[in-house]
Amino acid sequence: QKEVEQNSGPLSVPEGAIASLNCTYSDRGSQSFFWYRQYSGKSPELIMFIYSNGDKEDGRFTAQLNKASQYVSLLIRDSQPSDSATYLCAVNQDGTASKLTFGTGTRLQVTL
Amino acid sequence: GAGVSQTPSNKVTEKGKYVELRCDPISGHTALYWYRQSLGQGPEFLIYFQGTGAADDSGLPNDRFFAVRPEGSVSTLKIQRTERGDSAVYLCASSLRPRGTRAEAFFGQGTRLTVV
Repeated sequence: QKEVEQNSGPLSVPEGAIASLNCTYSDRGSQSFFWYRQYSGKSPELIMFIYSNGDKEDGRFTAQLNKASQYVSLLIRDSQPSDSATYLCAVNQDGTASKLTFGTGTRLQVTL
Repeated sequence: GAGVSQTPSNKVTEKGKYVELRCDPISGHTALYWYRQSLGQGPEFLIYFQGTGAADDSGLPNDRFFAVRPEGSVSTLKIQRTERGDSAVYLCASSLRPRGTRAEAFFGQGTRLTVV
């Protein structure tokens, strides 16, 4: 079993819709959770992080964490074509916030 | 600098050769990380520095890989006797602190290493 699992996609949503990206993790001791956006041929760009159960909103992005279910998600409201990218879920397991375990990413396509 | 800077952006080398990859972190960031990303995969942790010392090198795949950060700023990842399987994008990241608040990592643009 992979430590961090994501559906590879592609997830296709129409412009203006809500995109929902999901991630599950295996280590119950995981402490910090990150979402990175990666455009093709580019490096990962941090867009959200969440440490506590519940929702965290930043602009069009909402991260949701449920530690009991070992589940973290990212919602993108009013999706734009420029949101088309691979979204990487990353988990910190030992308190060193940037020693991260990444999933393989979900490719999001926002269609016109 | 404004962001994490990595050089070179691309490196092609022959199997068996030695390569060095350089990372210049964001000014003032004490923690520095090296990751490796293969096609279609997420980044894979290699090594983490706090200051000048390697705090965790558990991700280095074998003893052909070594990294230094002699003055607590710029870091160099060194790969000896390169193999075709070493081909990947090598990513460097830095964070203001390694844990707690302000510990989020910011990545450089990466060095694409191709071993032929």
